[in-house]
Amino acid sequence: KAGVTQTPRYLIKTRGQQVTLSCSPISGHRSVSWYQQTPGQGLQFLFEYFSETQRNKGNFPGRFSGRQFSNSRSEMNVSTLELGDSALYLCASSLGGSSPTDTQYFGPGTRLTVL
Amino acid sequence: AQSVTQLGSHVSVSEGALVLLRCNYSSSVPPYLFWYVQYPNQGLQLLLKYTSAATLVKGINGFEAEFKKSETSFHLTKPSAHMSDAAEYFCAVSYNQGGKLIFGQGTELSVKP
Repeated sequence: KAGVTQTPRYLIKTRGQQVTLSCSPISGHRSVSWYQQTPGQGLQFLFEYFSETQRNKGNFPGRFSGRQFSNSRSEMNVSTLELGDSALYLCASSLGGSSPTDTQYFGPGTRLTVL
Repeated sequence: AQSVTQLGSHVSVSEGALVLLRCNYSSSVPPYLFWYVQYPNQGLQLLLKYTSAATLVKGINGFEAEFKKSETSFHLTKPSAHMSDAAEYFCAVSYNQGGKLIFGQGTELSVKP
């Protein structure tokens, strides 16, 4: 079974631009979560989508948004990019049941650099 | 606030030595606990998870962790380090909040020949 895929793997943008990242979950998984990883703040939860609905949200500004499609693929958008948005953005998929021990499987990430 | 603390941002061991990576959580309600490993330029891979079925959890690659409620800890161990174990390790907790994991700051493990 194919793992979680993220595109693109690398991205360079300038301040003020917007960016869209894509995540394709493992087949059969209905939940997709997004995380931001930086050297200073570590791994931080952005949001989670399940059945096309945002089910959980972290403490990020409204410039960060996402959506999920009927095939469970998800996109994350960041508008008005700031230098501090430079990070590795990780996507994780899971079956999406109600169990808190549902295992999340991570993709390789998208490395975003904002100049 | 719910949080996870990993003691030691860098740990160095010799090949064949015991690996001990520390993780403590802060909550009066025991969470569900996970250990993930991240190799350079890759995503995270699950090593093991605590689901309350057993306090001693065995994972992949010879790693195991023991949940100790009285110490609010979930330390990761491996009896004998291998060069291929060099990576960054993250402890994470879940509190019945769907797909939300709260991660520790990570511990980078170096293995010396």
